[in-house]
Amino acid sequence: DVKVTQSSRYLVKRTGEKVFLECVQDMDHENMFWYRQDPGLGLRLIYFSYDVKMKEKGDIPEGYSVSREKKERFSLILESASTNQTSMYLCASSLGRYRGLNTEAFFGQGTRLTVV
Amino acid sequence: QKEVEQNSGPLSVPEGAIASLNCTYSDRGSQSFFWYRQYSGKSPELIMFIYSNGDKEDGRFTAQLNKASQYVSLLIRDSQPSDSATYLCAVFTSGTYKYIFGTGTRLKVLA
Repeated sequence: DVKVTQSSRYLVKRTGEKVFLECVQDMDHENMFWYRQDPGLGLRLIYFSYDVKMKEKGDIPEGYSVSREKKERFSLILESASTNQTSMYLCASSLGRYRGLNTEAFFGQGTRLTVV
Repeated sequence: QKEVEQNSGPLSVPEGAIASLNCTYSDRGSQSFFWYRQYSGKSPELIMFIYSNGDKEDGRFTAQLNKASQYVSLLIRDSQPSDSATYLCAVFTSGTYKYIFGTGTRLKVLA
């Protein structure tokens, strides 16, 4: 079974803190994604990566950065946490672009981040 | 216009009935289409994918795709209370290489 593991299920951080959300997948997937999910807004893509050290901005990258130093690990960084970044964060991974179209995204269990 | 649109619901159906969930998308270059189920407080899990026009059946679930109308649907036959969840439609486009999700339809199956 594909396993996508996020480092924390719940996090509470203070405004202005630097926050690291870690995600690890064990299926040798090329692609990894970070989404945030808010009521009424659905899943919104923050950043994604299709290879080691590669990153692409999604729809809402402001206030976030990412790091992918190893294929299996994709980190999301909140440079200076703010209350409007309180959300559910979901990491996902999928096979690479040259391995077919029917490559679904597998999700981690999610991290509910609260910024106070 | 949103890239992927779904009716937010809730869609209420009695137990044993057919639930019909619909999704429209705006990018004609979209190639693969996915239905995810998400229980409250949990992460999305894949139910079905489809990439060719027509119907695809898997157990009680049928996905339907009409690329000309840019429309994809999910039918759930013999609905059970355990099917009560939010159903997310996702579209994948290899050009942008992103999965774009709709906001989801909340389904309630009444016992």
